Amino acid sequence: DAGITQSPRHKVTETGTPVTLRCHQTENHRYMYWYRQDPGHGLRLIHYSYGVKDTDKGEVSDGYSVSRSKTEDFLLTLESATSSQTSVYFCAISGADNEQFFGPGTRLTVL
Amino acid sequence: EDQVTQSPEALRLQEGESSSLNCSYTVSGLRGLFWYRQDPGKGPEFLFTLYSAGEEKEKERLKATLTKKESFLHITAPKPEDSATYLCADTNRDDKIIFGKGTRLHILP
Repeated sequence: DAGITQSPRHKVTETGTPVTLRCHQTENHRYMYWYRQDPGHGLRLIHYSYGVKDTDKGEVSDGYSVSRSKTEDFLLTLESATSSQTSVYFCAISGADNEQFFGPGTRLTVL
Repeated sequence: EDQVTQSPEALRLQEGESSSLNCSYTVSGLRGLFWYRQDPGKGPEFLFTLYSAGEEKEKERLKATLTKKESFLHITAPKPEDSATYLCADTNRDDKIIFGKGTRLHILP
């Protein structure tokens, strides 16, 4: 158990509303990641963080922003949710050899 | 474009029937080739990291091997509890991990 929690675990929202997903780790790891997983696409990196207030874009960052004000928390925000952002979102941290440990996921539905 | 391709997409085996899953990657530099297992409704679970051609790692009925352009996950005498989606991942030229789409493995009792 890598000590990663995500909240909420499930969320249904409407198009155009803001949504924030939270990832919390208890391992004091420097690197944290947000992925989305969709059928036919696999896991795709949205944003990642390499320290407090240090973040960078991944493969599918459009429409998403992130913040990291504390080592243990990494927030993913959808400023104005769209139906194409319906997905399962996973947070991950990196281990010592670059292997990743994932949270349980958040299932987001945008109507 | 850096890619990780897994085959087959899905595989059904009888309990005890050994087989192999394939992962091919295009990145020229190798900073780690990773295998994960994912059960329905859960996050991926780390299995192995391989760094150099010829390297092998084992865990219970699973053995991962690596060549210059491919990795194989060999499953020996599988049991129904080995049913899952197996994901392969590599590190691209920007040092970011990219995942294949996975192989859905179903072991029939």
